[in-house]
Amino acid sequence: GNSVTQMEGPVTLSEEAFLTINCTYTATGYPSLFWYVQYPGEGLQLLLKATKADDKGSNKGFEATYRKETTSFHLEKGSVQVSDSAVYFCALEYGNKLVFGAGTILRVKS
Amino acid sequence: GAGVSQSPSNKVTEKGKDVELRCDPISGHTALYWYRQSLGQGLEFLIYFQGNSAPDKSGLPSDRFSAERTGGSVSTLTIQRTQQEDSAVYLCASSSRSGSKTGELFFGEGSRLTVL
Repeated sequence: GNSVTQMEGPVTLSEEAFLTINCTYTATGYPSLFWYVQYPGEGLQLLLKATKADDKGSNKGFEATYRKETTSFHLEKGSVQVSDSAVYFCALEYGNKLVFGAGTILRVKS
Repeated sequence: GAGVSQSPSNKVTEKGKDVELRCDPISGHTALYWYRQSLGQGLEFLIYFQGNSAPDKSGLPSDRFSAERTGGSVSTLTIQRTQQEDSAVYLCASSSRSGSKTGELFFGEGSRLTVL
């Protein structure tokens, strides 16, 4: 079926380090792909999305490229900040809904 | 309101009791979703409303779970005869869904349910 697999966390980085959170998917066709972020005490919010192969989504210094060859949508940021500490969820669109991964906790220390 | 509002934010109940969780979506959003977030399990889809109809309720885990939406706005998720495995955070989301595309989901902060 349609599913998303994310790297397990927590991921702990020092400020200004490079971030990669891996996400791979299994799907029929080419669904839209998303990254959502949940900051402490807040609801999930859309971080970025890509709707077709080779699209790159970007927002707040984060980027992810839709790779159909490797069925991946890895999240990257060149220099993380303490304020990026949150839970990150990869998701794909399937039918009427979004299917989410298990989430990856990111902790950034100063 | 400006965002998706959920109540209660926290609910502690005894096994076997019924609970109701409420969601007030963003005004004008026709699509409404319920998800469940359990520790280490990610977000599990429960049900999707378009207007007052629920074309996809495939994620409801058992017949103890039900949901309704009235006036194309507020939704209530009801869990009857709660069990300890129902303990989780229940998230509501809404979107201005257009055609076949899900669109951006706007989430509430969730209702944390603890069943003793």
